[in-house]
Amino acid sequence: DSGVTQTPKHLITATGQRVTLRCSPRSGDLSVYWYQQSLDQGLQFLIQYYNGEERAKGNILERFSAQQFPDLHSELNLSSLELGDSALYFCASSVGVARETQYFGPGTRLLVL
Amino acid sequence: DQQVKQNSPSLSVQEGRISILNCDYTNSMFDYFLWYKKYPAEGPTFLISISSIKDKNEDGRFTVFLNKSAKHLSLHIVPSQPGDSAVYFCAASAYTGANSKLTFGKGITLSVRP
Repeated sequence: DSGVTQTPKHLITATGQRVTLRCSPRSGDLSVYWYQQSLDQGLQFLIQYYNGEERAKGNILERFSAQQFPDLHSELNLSSLELGDSALYFCASSVGVARETQYFGPGTRLLVL
Repeated sequence: DQQVKQNSPSLSVQEGRISILNCDYTNSMFDYFLWYKKYPAEGPTFLISISSIKDKNEDGRFTVFLNKSAKHLSLHIVPSQPGDSAVYFCAASAYTGANSKLTFGKGITLSVRP
């Protein structure tokens, strides 16, 4: 158990809908990261927040957005969902902001029908 | 453009023998490398890391070697155990001081035969 929690574990929704994935980092960690793992793909970095502030953006679609709240939990919002958005979404956390070991949650499996 | 490559999708070894998992990278700005292990239905678990100022780092049965000139790293597991059967991801980052984005390879599935 890494100490990172993610909810929900599974999500099934329809195209065009909007969903919110939630992540609670390990106690004491200030950075939160979001990654997407599609079929046959490695983990693709989406975005990093540090203490509420966006620090890095990867290949995150404009239909996706994220935020980190004052209690340090983070939410990833996916809107206008398409079939290709079906994937595993992982959250990770670390203590600091740079050159950090990241600890991953169990993931949310999203299926868009 | 894949900056971190794990060219062998799978590896099978006998219990007790050495497992060697390879990883190549193309971005010369990468200076911190990590290996993660992933079981089905779980998130990746951190195994071991190495900074570019070193060429070897050891932790129990796991050793990571870094060859900067070849832009190559490898993970050695000795001795291999059936519980090591999992997908292994190599990851890399470039120090910016402002963030810690990891670039992952596609993973290698290791099977350790009893």
